[in-house]
Amino acid sequence: KAGVTQTPRYLIKTRGQQVTLSCSPISGHRSVSWYQQTPGQGLQFLFEYFSETQRNKGNFPGRFSGRQFSNSRSEMNVSTLELGDSALYLCASSFLQGQPGELFFGEGSRLTVL
Amino acid sequence: GDSVTQMEGPVTLSEEAFLTINCTYTATGYPSLFWYVQYPGEGLQLLLKATKADDKGSNKGFEATYRKETTSFHLEKGSVQVSDSAVYFCALKKAGQKLVFGTGTRLLVSP
Repeated sequence: KAGVTQTPRYLIKTRGQQVTLSCSPISGHRSVSWYQQTPGQGLQFLFEYFSETQRNKGNFPGRFSGRQFSNSRSEMNVSTLELGDSALYLCASSFLQGQPGELFFGEGSRLTVL
Repeated sequence: GDSVTQMEGPVTLSEEAFLTINCTYTATGYPSLFWYVQYPGEGLQLLLKATKADDKGSNKGFEATYRKETTSFHLEKGSVQVSDSAVYFCALKKAGQKLVFGTGTRLLVSP
C-alpha cells in the first residue's frame, strides 16, 4: 500500500510569509504526527493528531499550527516565517494513537526561508 | 523529562567491519525502544524495535537488546556494507506520548 505522502517536497519562502504543508497518511492510519528536523536541534516534535483532534503538542510557538481532516489527512501551517524555520518537516502516521508502536514517516517537506 | 543519548558521529568504518552505535535512555515507566534509519534525501524508516526488557530487535543484520539494568539499547551489526551509510536515530516512546529521538549518529562506510 502507498506510504505517507508529503507535499510539497521542496519550497522556498521569504521571511514574514506563511506556508502550508500537507500530509496524507497510510490508508487506514488515523494518527498523524509532525516533526521538525534541523542540523542544530535534531528531530523536534511539533504535534500529533488523532480523529481530527490534537492529542499532543510540542514546545513550538503559536505560529505553528495544524489540523486533521475527516479522511485523516493533515496539514500544518507556519505563519510569519522566520529564518530559523528553515528545516525538513516530517510527517508520520500510525494506526492507533497513543500506542508505543511504529511510526511510518514520509520523505518530508524541505522548507527554506530567505 | 524522558530523553535519549546517542554517541556522536560520524562513525567511519571500512566495509565488513563490526558496528556498534551506543544509545542510552532516561525514562520513567516502561518505554518501547526503537532504531530508525535515515538515508540521504529520505524520511525515517523503522529499523528495529523492542517493547520490553531483554527483548532483542533485529532486522537486516542489525540487532539491539533492551537492557533495563543499564538503560541501554545499543545498535550492532557484524559486517557493515557501503549501503548502510546513513544516519541512525535511537528513540523511545511511552503509551500516549510522543516519540523521543536521540540526536542521530551518522555512519559512513567506505569500500
